[in-house]
Amino acid sequence: DSGVTQTPKHLITATGQRVTLRCSPRSGDLSVYWYQQSLDQGLQFLIHYYNGEERAKGNILERFSAQQFPDLHSELNLSSLELGDSALYFCASSVGSGAYEQYFGPGTRLTVT
Amino acid sequence: AQKITQTQPGMFVQEKEAVTLDCTYDTSDQSYGLFWYKQPSSGEMIFLIYQGSYDEQNATEGRYSLNFQKARKSANLVISASQLGDSAMYFCAMREPPGYSSASKIIFGSGTRLSIRP
Repeated sequence: DSGVTQTPKHLITATGQRVTLRCSPRSGDLSVYWYQQSLDQGLQFLIHYYNGEERAKGNILERFSAQQFPDLHSELNLSSLELGDSALYFCASSVGSGAYEQYFGPGTRLTVT
Repeated sequence: AQKITQTQPGMFVQEKEAVTLDCTYDTSDQSYGLFWYKQPSSGEMIFLIYQGSYDEQNATEGRYSLNFQKARKSANLVISASQLGDSAMYFCAMREPPGYSSASKIIFGSGTRLSIRP
């Protein structure tokens, strides 16, 4: 158990809908990272937040947004969902912004039908 | 642009043998970090080892060591005395340190599926 929690574990929704994925980092970690893992794209870095501020953006679509709250939990919002958004979404956390060690949550498996 | 290449999509190794998983990277930056992660069939991602570009010694963590050859831009993972529980997908990843670039991204290779035979 990495100490990072993600909810929900599974999510099934229809195209065009909007969902919110939630992540709670390990106690004491200030950084949260979001990743998408799909069969065709592999593991893709989406976005990094450190202590509430966005630090880096990867291959995150405009339909997706994220934020980190004062209690350091983070949410990833996915809107206007398409079939291709079906994937495993991971959250990871680290102590600082350098990410020398990142601890991953169990992931949220999103299925868009 | 940064790139990570893992050329071995799958490997079979006999239990108790050592195994080397290949990883080459491409970056024009001098300061960067390299990671290896393990993903068992259960799906979670497990951090294994980290190597900074300025670290002079190869990183080691228990049975894992990172064979870092900077001039060749390779960061191979060596697992000594393999165990059945080592069967998993292994990912090599690279990132720039924060503040070095306005686009401090993390990129992953396509992974190597390691299967340990009893």
